[in-house]
Amino acid sequence: EVQLVESGGGLVQPGGSLRLSCAASGFTFSSYWMHWVRQAPGKGLVWVSRINSDGSSTSYADSVKGRFTISRDNAKNTLYLQMNSLRAEDTAVYYCARAPPGSGPDYWGQGTLVTVSS
Amino acid sequence: QSALTQPASVSGSPGQSITISCTGTSSDVGGYNYVSWYQQHPGKAPKLMIYEVSNRPSGVPDRFSGSKSGNTASLTISGLQAEDEADYYCSSYTSSSTEVFGGGTKLTVL
Repeated sequence: EVQLVESGGGLVQPGGSLRLSCAASGFTFSSYWMHWVRQAPGKGLVWVSRINSDGSSTSYADSVKGRFTISRDNAKNTLYLQMNSLRAEDTAVYYCARAPPGSGPDYWGQGTLVTVSS
Repeated sequence: QSALTQPASVSGSPGQSITISCTGTSSDVGGYNYVSWYQQHPGKAPKLMIYEVSNRPSGVPDRFSGSKSGNTASLTISGLQAEDEADYYCSSYTSSSTEVFGGGTKLTVL
């Protein structure tokens, strides 16, 4: 069974940093691209970032470029999102999602809530 | 990276059919056959319902179907059931090697 479990969310002050993790199991992690998608309270899904299977290629939404860094450790079956210079508008539930190479996300985790507030 | 355009809400009675549209540009929906549709119930994670425009993952009822014409993709749900009431989102690969989602559509089963 495919499982994606996010962790690392919480309350952080504006300008602060947070690192999210996503532990994967039930599939060959190193064969899949991975995405981060966020959802502000009461709002829609917004794509954040993507990393390819071996970590050699990444892409970001303009709203997080230069502040967020996606990475992965295939030996640990874990995806990461390093978030720096956080702003109030980054407040959201952050989901990690698996994607077959070149295709859209198929399986999603349950999400972790990040709240940016003083 | 503008969001794809979806109607804010649609509704239908049990047994009826509804269609949700998803309009983008030639740089996303119109340029690639990588359009997906997701169902999200309140407080839950999104669930993939359609991938690559018209393919259903195993376990998704054949009442759900997808199509595309030009820059607009569509999700059709036939034989509406109460449990279909949820938010639906489309997504597409883009020419910038990113992904873009629609704003979401709230489906109400009357």
